[in-house]
Amino acid sequence: GAVVSQHPSWVICKSGTSVKIECRSLDFQATTMFWYRQFPKQSLMLMATSNEGSKATYEQGVEKDKFLINHASLTLSTLTVTSAHPEDSSFYICSAREEIYGYTFGSGTRLTVV
Amino acid sequence: DQQVKQNSPSLSVQEGRISILNCDYTNSMFDYFLWYKKYPAEGPTFLISISSIKDKNEDGRFTVFLNKSAKHLSLHIVPSQPGDSAVYFCAASVGSNSGYALNFGKGTSLLVTP
Repeated sequence: GAVVSQHPSWVICKSGTSVKIECRSLDFQATTMFWYRQFPKQSLMLMATSNEGSKATYEQGVEKDKFLINHASLTLSTLTVTSAHPEDSSFYICSAREEIYGYTFGSGTRLTVV
Repeated sequence: DQQVKQNSPSLSVQEGRISILNCDYTNSMFDYFLWYKKYPAEGPTFLISISSIKDKNEDGRFTVFLNKSAKHLSLHIVPSQPGDSAVYFCAASVGSNSGYALNFGKGTSLLVTP
């Protein structure tokens, strides 16, 4: 089936630094990728929709200057958390939809900002 | 505003019995529904889906029922197995094409005891 590879699986960074998370679609092209964030015991909340070759569409309340999304190719989307703070600590997951296999999720990235 | 609601945060079922997980939604535009299973620190994995033209879809031990008039769906797992213990997310979308993200409930943590 379709696979979305997400890296890193976990990252610890110092407050004020930036962290980049990558999602790659393997064996299929993803014109659209979705980025979600999950806080403990909460649902997966959509942060933004990433479109290849154009600007991402951010959900209300998500700071686009803080969460930079780049979708430069049909197989790669990146999320950069800029000037990270402890409140940004969360579980970030990307997702893409493939025509046959449907929505596929990455394995997630656990970000801890200290 | 939570458009997909899973009002039971947890459920405990004995092995061999039926597990019933419930989900309600408020957006009448939703016409595609999915259930995902998620383990800690991993991305969700797809279980089963249903479109609004159906009221039931079955796949092995998993059956999803959709009641459009009540805006309610449920996932039945029978017989339940200890390996089914995980968090189950209900998700909904407007259409099933690649342009639409999923709206998730908060999840129900299922524990199947031997």
